[in-house]
Amino acid sequence: EAQVTQNPRYLITVTGKKLTVTCSQNMNHEYMSWYRQDPGLGLRQIYYSMNVEVTDKGDVPEGYKVSRKEKRNFPLILESPSPNQTSLYFCASMSGSSYNEQFFGPGTRLTVL
Amino acid sequence: KQEVTQIPAALSVPEGENLVLNCSFTDSAIYNLQWFRQDPGKGLTSLLLIQSSQREQTSGRLNASLDKSSGRSTLYIAASQPGDSATYLCAACYVYRTALIFGKGTTLSVSS
Repeated sequence: EAQVTQNPRYLITVTGKKLTVTCSQNMNHEYMSWYRQDPGLGLRQIYYSMNVEVTDKGDVPEGYKVSRKEKRNFPLILESPSPNQTSLYFCASMSGSSYNEQFFGPGTRLTVL
Repeated sequence: KQEVTQIPAALSVPEGENLVLNCSFTDSAIYNLQWFRQDPGKGLTSLLLIQSSQREQTSGRLNASLDKSSGRSTLYIAASQPGDSATYLCAACYVYRTALIFGKGTTLSVSS
């Protein structure tokens, strides 16, 4: 089954404790990205990757890092999480460089205390 | 600034009713517009994708239209069912941007 998976689905952590949210897709998509969803603000893009070793900032990149060492994986790294990063995070992927349908993962609900 | 607006924010209808969800976007320079469904605690499920060169797309009881000149898209749901209850999001993909720009959604409740 074609899908985007994220782990963990739920995470409660404390301020300053480094964490990684993994994202993997099995559709051989070149493009992957991360979004966060907040009440009243909607979904906003954090980072994106056009292909392996090619990443760039989205609209709200502060406090996040990403890497793209393999085509299928695109982890989101919070080096020093803060309470304002409490949010629902989604990973997405898309085929090719043209603008096709984007597929989203199930989401990771992160709470930073 | 590129923005996407969805009206209404919430909608309640009885089962069987046909309904229309509205989405408007600033800047007509879009590649495509995508409609999603989001259930509580769940991810985003893609419903329909309309390329900028298309006027509409259909999938089952769903029909989405796109009018670039007026900056509008509509999602028509025929013969609504309680299982259609969810939040519906529209998202525009603009030229020279990779990010989808999302509206804040319309939360639909269909009562039996």
